[in-house]
Amino acid sequence: GQQVMQIPQYQHVQEGEDFTTYCNSSTTLSNIQWYKQRPGGHPVFLIQLVKSGEVKKQKRLTFQFGEAKKNSSLHITATQTTDVGTYFCAGTGTNAGKSTFGDGTTLTVKP
Amino acid sequence: EAGVAQSPRYKIIEKRQSVAFWCNPISGHATLYWYQQILGQGPKLLIQFQNNGVVDDSQLPKDRFSAERLKGVDSTLKIQPAKLEDSAVYLCASSPIRVGEQYFGPGTRLTVT
Repeated sequence: GQQVMQIPQYQHVQEGEDFTTYCNSSTTLSNIQWYKQRPGGHPVFLIQLVKSGEVKKQKRLTFQFGEAKKNSSLHITATQTTDVGTYFCAGTGTNAGKSTFGDGTTLTVKP
Repeated sequence: EAGVAQSPRYKIIEKRQSVAFWCNPISGHATLYWYQQILGQGPKLLIQFQNNGVVDDSQLPKDRFSAERLKGVDSTLKIQPAKLEDSAVYLCASSPIRVGEQYFGPGTRLTVT
């Protein structure tokens, strides 16, 4: 079945440093979604990417979808303490339309 | 707009007991999901409904888990009998379309002792 892998599992940064998390699918995706889960909270939708090579920005967050639609990345510029949490990608397969979540990258930010 | 509602928020039961969770999705959302999230892992899809029909239940342990969405609105997830490994957070999510952004409820934290 479809597998979605995220790296790294954990990332510790100093406030102001940049952060990147990568998401890789074993199969071609129709779209990919990114979610953020704060400690003790539930996943909150951030963005959806659909097109090959698509790049979207939300303030300090930049999301990319690979040309082959099998990988994606989330980059945060100049991290802040409010960026703390676990970032999940969820890839939707082209066949059954089922979304599979990765295991997330947990970001901690040291002030 | 009200979000996804779930109850209870916390539940502690002994193994072999039964438990039920309730979810009310965002009004008008046709798609409803139940996920199991074990600490340190991503949400794992248990079952997906489109209105009151099941779209995917391939990862639902059907010998002990059941779910229904009779009127295409709210839904219940039941575990009978519970095992220790069922300890997790059970998340409900809804989406306005079959494949799109998902809006999660606060979850139910289940502890099986």
